[in-house]
Amino acid sequence: AQSVTQLGSHVSVSEGALVLLRCNYSSSVPPYLFWYVQYPNQGLQLLLKYTTGATLVKGINGFEAEFKKSETSFHLTKPSAHMSDAAEYFCAVSDRGGSQGNLIFGKGTKLSVKP
Amino acid sequence: ETGVTQTPRHLVMGMTNKKSLKCEQHLGHNAMYWYKQSAKKPLELMFVYNFKEQTENNSVPSRFSPECPNSSHLFLHLHTLQPEDSALYLCASSQRSVASGGADTQYFGPGTRLTVL
Repeated sequence: AQSVTQLGSHVSVSEGALVLLRCNYSSSVPPYLFWYVQYPNQGLQLLLKYTTGATLVKGINGFEAEFKKSETSFHLTKPSAHMSDAAEYFCAVSDRGGSQGNLIFGKGTKLSVKP
Repeated sequence: ETGVTQTPRHLVMGMTNKKSLKCEQHLGHNAMYWYKQSAKKPLELMFVYNFKEQTENNSVPSRFSPECPNSSHLFLHLHTLQPEDSALYLCASSQRSVASGGADTQYFGPGTRLTVL
């Protein structure tokens, strides 16, 4: 069965520092890949997704992620953290083909940003 | 209203109560989902409705009963719940098609925070 691993349940960075949140998937066939963000007391919001084509995907709020098939990874980065980036981030995968579209989520990484 | 709305936002119920959670999507989507979000566990997909037909039931206990009267509304009826059912229940919707092949984006509501005493 497909699974998603997010390394580090908590990540803390200083404002202005690089943000790196890690995500690895288990499937031998590359799935569709998603990053969602959840702010306190809110639902999840899509940051970006990879389907086909360019492996470097740009999303909202200055975030980007790179699909690396050889490493089965889809790590999320942002060059310079802002206080407003403090939230929980979820990596998710969806199997290709048909009209399934069911998402399998990682456990999430809570990002803290220090002033 | 825009996006996906959920009511109530907070619910406290006893183990013998019956209550319902409501979700409404204003996006014209054809698929709706219920998820359970518990502390320290990944989001768990509970139910999927595609064109009002239930297409997924991830071994959810029968004390949770979904209802999808049309493609815009989704309910989760609750009865004789257990304290371990306390969680954030999230609703989502998406536009599914054969062309999207699983790449459709799901849009989430803010959730209902459920506490079972």
